[in-house]
Amino acid sequence: AQSVTQLDSHVSVSEGTPVLLRCNYSSSYSPSLFWYVQHPNKGLQLLLKYTSAATLVKGINGFEAEFKKSETSFHLTKPSAHMSDAAEYFCVVSEGYSTLTFGKGTMLLVSP
Amino acid sequence: GAGVSQSPRYKVAKRGQDVALRCDPISGHVSLFWYQQALGQGPEFLTYFQNEAQLDKSGLPSDRFFAERPEGSVSTLKIQRTQQEDSAVYLCASSLVVASGSHEQYFGPGTRLTVT
Repeated sequence: AQSVTQLDSHVSVSEGTPVLLRCNYSSSYSPSLFWYVQHPNKGLQLLLKYTSAATLVKGINGFEAEFKKSETSFHLTKPSAHMSDAAEYFCVVSEGYSTLTFGKGTMLLVSP
Repeated sequence: GAGVSQSPRYKVAKRGQDVALRCDPISGHVSLFWYQQALGQGPEFLTYFQNEAQLDKSGLPSDRFFAERPEGSVSTLKIQRTQQEDSAVYLCASSLVVASGSHEQYFGPGTRLTVT
């Protein structure tokens, strides 16, 4: 069975500083991994996805994530946070045809 | 074209009432998914359609939950005899191709159901 653990429920950063949102996964097969972002009262939006190509994946709005099989991790990073990045972020795993399994989410707070 | 739309956006139901939640997927999308997102949690899978066929309903929490997609486009999630624990945001997502795990799902804004 597949599962995802997001290691922090909340992360606080100052505008202009780096962002790190941590995610570990468990999967029986070669998984696909995603990061989705959810702004208040808006639908989930895909930031980036890993599907067994390059291990360093670049997404929208300057975000990127690195797939590390040995560590079963897929951490999300951004060099410099912007106020508009404040939102909830979900790490997601999928196997085969399978449906998506979401983590519990990490709330990113950005202060001026 | 337009994204995934859901209606109503908000629904308040008295305990014991039946509700119906509608999802309009992106035109031409083969796959359709329903998820339930409780407060402070990530979305959890409920059911999956490929065209009009419901291929996976393993996530439906009880037999009070029923979903259909009779013509392979619009889908309805019905909850009978609502209970307080049904209060959640119900998300619909669609995908262009037969679900393969690697393809992006496009999410609607959700329906927030509150059972009083």
